[in-house]
Amino acid sequence: DGGITQSPKYLFRKEGQNVTLSCEQNLNHDAMYWYRQDPGQGLRLIYYSQIVNDFQKGDIAEGYSVSREKKESFPLTVTSAQKNPTAFYLCASSKRTSGRGETQYFGPGTRLLVL
Amino acid sequence: GQQVMQIPQYQHVQEGEDFTTYCNSSTTLSNIQWYKQRPGGHPVFLIQLVKSGEVKKQKRLTFQFGEAKKNSSLHITATQTTDVGTYFCAGPNFGNEKLTFGTGTRLTIIP
Repeated sequence: DGGITQSPKYLFRKEGQNVTLSCEQNLNHDAMYWYRQDPGQGLRLIYYSQIVNDFQKGDIAEGYSVSREKKESFPLTVTSAQKNPTAFYLCASSKRTSGRGETQYFGPGTRLLVL
Repeated sequence: GQQVMQIPQYQHVQEGEDFTTYCNSSTTLSNIQWYKQRPGGHPVFLIQLVKSGEVKKQKRLTFQFGEAKKNSSLHITATQTTDVGTYFCAGPNFGNEKLTFGTGTRLTIIP
């Protein structure tokens, strides 16, 4: 069954703690993305990666870090430097073509709550 | 940078009424995509429009891409409770795979 999986579904973070959100895809897509969505708001890009071992900052990268060591995996770490991390985090993937913006497929998301 | 705005931000309609959301980009787009996010869910791809003036239909949904390729619309005829959710348009950034998502229109249906 092809698709994108994210874990955990819910995550609780204590003050000053780093947490890592998992994102795995078996669609053989080259590009992967992390978005943040606040209640009633749109999608804001945190980081994206178009190829293994390479990634770029999005619009709100401060307080977050990523790695792309494998094609199918793109974990996101929310560091203690992110002062307001409570949000819905969405991972997505797409084929990489000529830079014309391919369709993105989203995972089910992780809801992060700060205690 | 590129901005994509949608209006209205919210729309409440009686079941059976029509609904339209409008999407406007600050730059010309090579294509426009539409996604639907159900309450508590994740965005799901609906359709992509590529040609200037293109119109595509999916059952009760009609999608249109403007002649100048800077705006788009989604029209739903005779809304049903299954149409509830937030509709996002998205346009590509030049030269990479990034999409800029619109601000979204949240549709609620009054039974």
